[in-house]
Amino acid sequence: DTGVSQNPRHKITKRGQNVTFRCDPISEHNRLYWYRQTLGQGPEFLTYFQNEAQLEKSRLLSDRFSAERPKGSFSTLEIQRTEQGDSAMYLCASSPGLAGVTGELFFGEGSRLTVL
Amino acid sequence: AQSVTQLDSHVSVSEGTPVLLRCNYSSSYSPSLFWYVQHPNKGLQLLLKYTSAATLVKGINGFEAEFKKSETSFHLTKPSAHMSDAAEYFCVVCPGGGNKLTFGTGTQLKVEL
Repeated sequence: DTGVSQNPRHKITKRGQNVTFRCDPISEHNRLYWYRQTLGQGPEFLTYFQNEAQLEKSRLLSDRFSAERPKGSFSTLEIQRTEQGDSAMYLCASSPGLAGVTGELFFGEGSRLTVL
Repeated sequence: AQSVTQLDSHVSVSEGTPVLLRCNYSSSYSPSLFWYVQHPNKGLQLLLKYTSAATLVKGINGFEAEFKKSETSFHLTKPSAHMSDAAEYFCVVCPGGGNKLTFGTGTQLKVEL
């Protein structure tokens, strides 16, 4: 399978703990995105990388959130000192070009976080 | 600023009958508009896209949408629903040439026998 891969698929943690999610995009895609989806809502943009450069961050991405893409390939999203409000599905997507031009992001199946 | 409003959170149709999922958009720039579908336990998948070419856009699985600037609408239609169409559908806007997709809140489509 050469699609976008996310790990872990499910994570249950206690409030205050740190969690890290990993995303492996489609290999030839230089753009990588993180979105967050809560129950009953559409995905919300968190951040975007072009190669290893993080070019845009949403105000939703508080100081407790950090994302990296060190070699321009896989990416990690870390949440420090988790809160119950962080419970959500975290979606990763990749694209070969500007989303508004190519029109398509390729999404992974997501990583579901539950904070107790 | 850009946004989309999906007018129905749930739509229920009988198999073989037409589908209409409604979406209105707001954008300061010439927008690109998309419909994505999310089946249970599957990743989001692009159904179709409008990027300022033909106003009637055809997508996968028999879906199509019409861009109507005067009505700021981009409704999704299908002539005949199939059981496999049951899923959640998202209307999405992006400023033309931009990179940040803004999703609507979704419409859950139920298809009954």
